Amino acid sequence: DSGVTQTPKHLITATGQRVTLRCSPRSGDLSVYWYQQSLDQGLQFLIQYYNGEERAKGNILERFSAQQFPDLHSELNLSSLELGDSALYFCASKLDLSGNTIYFGEGSWLTVV
Amino acid sequence: AQSVTQLDSQVPVFEEAPVELRCNYSSSVSVYLFWYVQYPNQGLQLLLKYLSGSTLVKSINGFEAEFNKSQTSFHLRKPSVHISDTAEYFCAVSDQGYQKVTFGTGTKLQVIP
Repeated sequence: DSGVTQTPKHLITATGQRVTLRCSPRSGDLSVYWYQQSLDQGLQFLIQYYNGEERAKGNILERFSAQQFPDLHSELNLSSLELGDSALYFCASKLDLSGNTIYFGEGSWLTVV
Repeated sequence: AQSVTQLDSQVPVFEEAPVELRCNYSSSVSVYLFWYVQYPNQGLQLLLKYLSGSTLVKSINGFEAEFNKSQTSFHLRKPSVHISDTAEYFCAVSDQGYQKVTFGTGTKLQVIP
């Protein structure tokens, strides 16, 4: 158990809908990352937050947004869903911005039908 | 900018045989290097990392990786694999100044009995 909790574990939704994925980082970790893992593109970095503020942005679509709340949990919002958004979405956390270990959650499986 | 290349998407190997999973990176500055493992239906786990010091780093389950700055490589090796090593392995690089972790596309290691 990495200490990073993601909910829901599995989600099936229709095209055009909107979903929210939730992540609770390890206790004390200030930095949260979101990744998308799909069969064709592998693991892709989406976005990073540090202590409530956006720190780095990767290949995140405009239809996607995220935020980190004062209690440090984070949410990834996916809207106008398309079939190609079906993937495993990982959240990861790290203590701070130094070279500490990054810990991954078990992921949220999103299937868009 | 930084990038990671894992040339082999799948590596089949017989049980008790040696294995090498290749990882090359590019970066204009000093980096931290990581290998993560993802077992079926689980999240990513840190296998080993190079931050500084000795260029040969080892994990508790017999894997090792050597940082080669001149060849910009961080190949993962194990002298004798077990069935339980069947998993997907991700190489990752982190820019020491920017703190964005970039992952390779992963290598699926299939250990054949």
